Amino acid sequence: EIVLTQSPGTLSLSPGERATLSCRASQSVRNNYLAWYQQKRGQAPRLLIYAASSRATGIPDRFSGSGSGTDFTLTISRLEPEDFAVYYCQQYGSPPRTFGQGAQLEIK
Amino acid sequence: EVQLLESGGGLVQPGGSLRLSCAASGFTFNDYAMNWVRQAPGKGLEWVSGISGSGDSTYYADSVKGRFTISRDNSKNTLSLQMNSLRAEDTAVYYCAKDAARSSVYFFEYWGQGTLVTVSS
Repeated sequence: EIVLTQSPGTLSLSPGERATLSCRASQSVRNNYLAWYQQKRGQAPRLLIYAASSRATGIPDRFSGSGSGTDFTLTISRLEPEDFAVYYCQQYGSPPRTFGQGAQLEIK
Repeated sequence: EVQLLESGGGLVQPGGSLRLSCAASGFTFNDYAMNWVRQAPGKGLEWVSGISGSGDSTYYADSVKGRFTISRDNSKNTLSLQMNSLRAEDTAVYYCAKDAARSSVYFFEYWGQGTLVTVSS
């Protein structure tokens, strides 16, 4: 199975700053089938990005995804207070579908 | 508006059984695969099981294969997960998640709020 490793584990930034989260796969993700989710404390995950770079319905354009093959990035251009949460990447190119371990984005 | 409402969680002893349900609304249920994804306390996400829109194909993580059974009733827009031979490591919040396609091979487009399963004596 494909193992996804997210870095950094924790990112401390201030509102208004730019956040860059990385997701590296143990092997190439077929068709760049890579998704990103946001999970706030006590809530269910929410889909942000699919197919590496396509924003889900209703997701603000400050969220963007990029990358291909084994290296993918989620970028939040200007952090809003509500963006501080845990972010997960997930691959769906090869079964079983797997998630990264998560990355905590915290307020500095 | 897509809504997914899980129920059936609770406290069960090791070796016991539990049945989870998910009531779906706001979309054409049989057009989409459905999944169960779990999250152990303080841990990350783990896909558990999926079922195609028609119900003909089912998929399981190795960690639950042979113990859990996924099913759906398209006439009632409900998804179920029968969990047998439960272990302490099955303790988690179980989320019902709508797939993005008819087959269970895509990303998780919508999620329910989850139901907590605790396996403990």
